[in-house]
Amino acid sequence: DAGVTQSPTHLIKTRGQHVTLRCSPISGHKSVSWYQQVLGQGPQFIFQYYEKEERGRGNFPDRFSARQFPNYSSELNVNALLLGDSALYLCASSLELGYTFGSGTRLTVV
Amino acid sequence: AQSVTQLGSHVSVSEGALVLLRCNYSSSVPPYLFWYVQYPNQGLQLLLKYTTGATLVKGINGFEAEFKKSETSFHLTKPSAHMSDAAEYFCAVSASRSASKIIFGSGTRLSIRP
Repeated sequence: DAGVTQSPTHLIKTRGQHVTLRCSPISGHKSVSWYQQVLGQGPQFIFQYYEKEERGRGNFPDRFSARQFPNYSSELNVNALLLGDSALYLCASSLELGYTFGSGTRLTVV
Repeated sequence: AQSVTQLGSHVSVSEGALVLLRCNYSSSVPPYLFWYVQYPNQGLQLLLKYTTGATLVKGINGFEAEFKKSETSFHLTKPSAHMSDAAEYFCAVSASRSASKIIFGSGTRLSIRP
């Protein structure tokens, strides 16, 4: 079975631009969560979706949004990018307690 | 509210020596606790988790952790370090099985000396 897959693996954006990150959960997993990991820090919770509904939101501005599709894949959108948005964005899926993480998308904002 | 404190941002041990990574948590409800490992340029891999029951939890790669409620601790140990254990380790807590988020500590970088 494939694990959690994220795309793209790396990308570079300019301040003020918009970015969309994609995640495909493990087959059968209905819950998807997004985390932001700034260099040298632990991951910070952004969103959780379960059965296409938002179940939780972390302390992030409204520039961050997400959605989950009928096939349980998910997108994270970030508008009006700031330099401080540069980070590793991790997606995780779960069937029960204990998330499985993807390898992440490394976003660099210049 | 939940929080995690990892004591020591960097730990260095010799190959074959005991590994001890310290984690203390704060939780207003019985916690679910995790240890994750992150290798360079990779995502997080679950090492082990504590939910309920036995307080000594065995994980992958020879690691284990003990839940001590009285000390609010969940330290990670491995009897004999291997070079391949060099990585970043994160302790994490969740409020419940249905909780939407996991709270991570700031991480401990483990280095192994030959």
